[in-house]
Amino acid sequence: DIQMTQSPSTLSASVGDRVTITCRASQSVSAWLAWYQQRPGKAPNVLIHKASSLEGGVPSRFSGGGSETEFTLSISSLQPDDSATYYCQQYSTYPWTFGQGTKVEIK
Amino acid sequence: QITLKESGPTLVKPTQTLTLTCTFSGFSLSTSGVGVGWVRQPPGKALEWLAIIHWNDANHYLSSLKSRLTVTKDTSKNQLDLTLTNMDPVDTATYYCVHRIVGGGLDYWGQGTLVTVSS
Repeated sequence: DIQMTQSPSTLSASVGDRVTITCRASQSVSAWLAWYQQRPGKAPNVLIHKASSLEGGVPSRFSGGGSETEFTLSISSLQPDDSATYYCQQYSTYPWTFGQGTKVEIK
Repeated sequence: QITLKESGPTLVKPTQTLTLTCTFSGFSLSTSGVGVGWVRQPPGKALEWLAIIHWNDANHYLSSLKSRLTVTKDTSKNQLDLTLTNMDPVDTATYYCVHRIVGGGLDYWGQGTLVTVSS
């Protein structure tokens, strides 16, 4: 199975900061990677698919990049509403796998 | 508008079989490119993908659960069933039904249903 490793596990930043989360795959997943945001008590919501394609309705401050084994999710100007846990997920090879999550907190 | 909703027991005993139903609307599982599946999340832990079934009946399962897990679809009823045998307390989790289009991520999620395994 492909292992997905996110860093950091927790991130604390101020409103307006640029933040970046990294996701590494144990083998190449090409660009078949998605990012999700999950607020407490809610179902996850997809932000990005195919590594860098922004889902409709997702604010443009979110962006994704990378390919093969290294990927990033960036938030250009952190907003209070962005306080959540973020997960990457590969859908290149079955079984699909998620990262362990990155909790983003607002200072 | 695409919606998915999970239903089933909230409490099962160890060794029992869990059956959850996902009832969906706004799309058809017979449409080319469509897939519906399951993801679970133990309390306070990360998401875990379980299974998916596609419009062409292609299905895939999490390797470690393959001997216990079955997913079946009823296209006429717009439903997807998950059956997980020999339940254990480690299977305690919120179970989500999810939709995807080939090439994309899991773009629609049900609200989730918490299943607790306890005697």
